[in-house]
Amino acid sequence: QVQLQESGPGLVKPSETLSLTCTVSGDSFSSYYWSWIRQPPGKGLEWIGYIYNSATTNYNPSLKSRVTISVDTSRNQLSLRLNSVTAAVTALYYCARGAGWWGIWGQGTMVTVSS
Amino acid sequence: QSALTQPASVSGSPGQSITISCTGTSSDVGSYDYVSWYQQHPGKAPQLMIYDVSNRPSGVSNRFSGSKSGNTASLTISGLRAEDEADYYCNSYTTSNSYVFGTGTKVTVL
Repeated sequence: QVQLQESGPGLVKPSETLSLTCTVSGDSFSSYYWSWIRQPPGKGLEWIGYIYNSATTNYNPSLKSRVTISVDTSRNQLSLRLNSVTAAVTALYYCARGAGWWGIWGQGTMVTVSS
Repeated sequence: QSALTQPASVSGSPGQSITISCTGTSSDVGSYDYVSWYQQHPGKAPQLMIYDVSNRPSGVSNRFSGSKSGNTASLTISGLRAEDEADYYCNSYTTSNSYVFGTGTKVTVL
């Protein structure tokens, strides 16, 4: 059974870089698209981007200049980096398998941006 | 890219059918049959209910069905049950090679 588990710092200061990791277990990591999706408290979902085959990436145009998604296939991990964060970045961050539709999700990790 | 428009809330009595609309533009919903729907209970991760407009993943009840006409997609829940009370989000591929979610709909079972 495929499981996704996000992890991260929880609290990030404004202007710093947010770094999150998603560990995938029970599946062949390199065979799928892997995405990051976020949800601000009490609000809707926003697609951040995906990676496929360790190198092909596609990002939300509104975030493209500040976001990087990468993978470490040796550890079955997906990573997200978001530069120059502001309070607007505060959200629950999910990793999910797929692009276009997401059938498997992690439980999410909450990130708060505050000084 | 603007979020797809969904009604803020929809309600129905047990056993009834309800339909949630998801209105986009010719740059997203109207251009592709790549619309998906997600159910989200409080404090839980979203769950895929419909993909590619009208396909149900294995394990999803056949009480859930999807359709599309022009720039508007719809999710219908038949035989409404208490456990269907949740937030629902649509999603579409766009001509910008990205994905946009709907504003979300809270379904209440009366």
